[in-house]
Amino acid sequence: EAGVTQFPSHSVIEKGQTVTLRCDPISGHDNLYWYRRVMGKEIKFLLHFVKESKQDESGMPNNRFLAERTGGTYSTLKVQPAELEDSGVYFCASSHTGYSYEQYFGPGTRLTVT
Amino acid sequence: QKEVEQNSGPLSVPEGAIASLNCTYSDRGSQSFFWYRQYSGKSPELIMSIYSNGDKEDGRFTAQLNKASQYVSLLIRDSQPSDSATYLCAVKDRITGGGNKLTFGTGTQLKVEL
Repeated sequence: EAGVTQFPSHSVIEKGQTVTLRCDPISGHDNLYWYRRVMGKEIKFLLHFVKESKQDESGMPNNRFLAERTGGTYSTLKVQPAELEDSGVYFCASSHTGYSYEQYFGPGTRLTVT
Repeated sequence: QKEVEQNSGPLSVPEGAIASLNCTYSDRGSQSFFWYRQYSGKSPELIMSIYSNGDKEDGRFTAQLNKASQYVSLLIRDSQPSDSATYLCAVKDRITGGGNKLTFGTGTQLKVEL
């Protein structure tokens, strides 16, 4: 069974530019999550999709971040315009629906805003 | 007060010894608890989940949960150099609105020495 995949693995952009990150969850997982780790800090929750619906977006920093999951399969996270403080590693995770809340993480996208 | 607290380490143990990793959490209503292992530059890998008070064993790993003390720990028996990594404690918030948000600690770095 393929794991969670993310693209790109690394992205370096200039302040003010736009970047789109993609996540493909484990097949059959209805739940998809985005997290971010800023250097030196803990991993922090951004948002949670159940299929194509946003279940919880309480962690989204501001309206420069837009997440979508059209069709309930893969998800994209767009940052527009990017700021220096957006630099970090963006992780995607997915889980089954049900009592087990175990979340499986992808390899992450390292975003550097210069 | 941080929601999930871990000693950042490094925790150094000799090969073959028992490594004990600890985590405390602030939300008494938390329901589910997870341990992730993260090698440098890699994604968090789920190694243990625990939902009820007591011990849960899986191979060389034992998770221990004490909800009254708001304390969860991970024991690694017969530690191997390959266990050297950062161990992340993650707590799922109490069930509100069906969200599955995980709150992470900053992680404890474990070094297993030959």
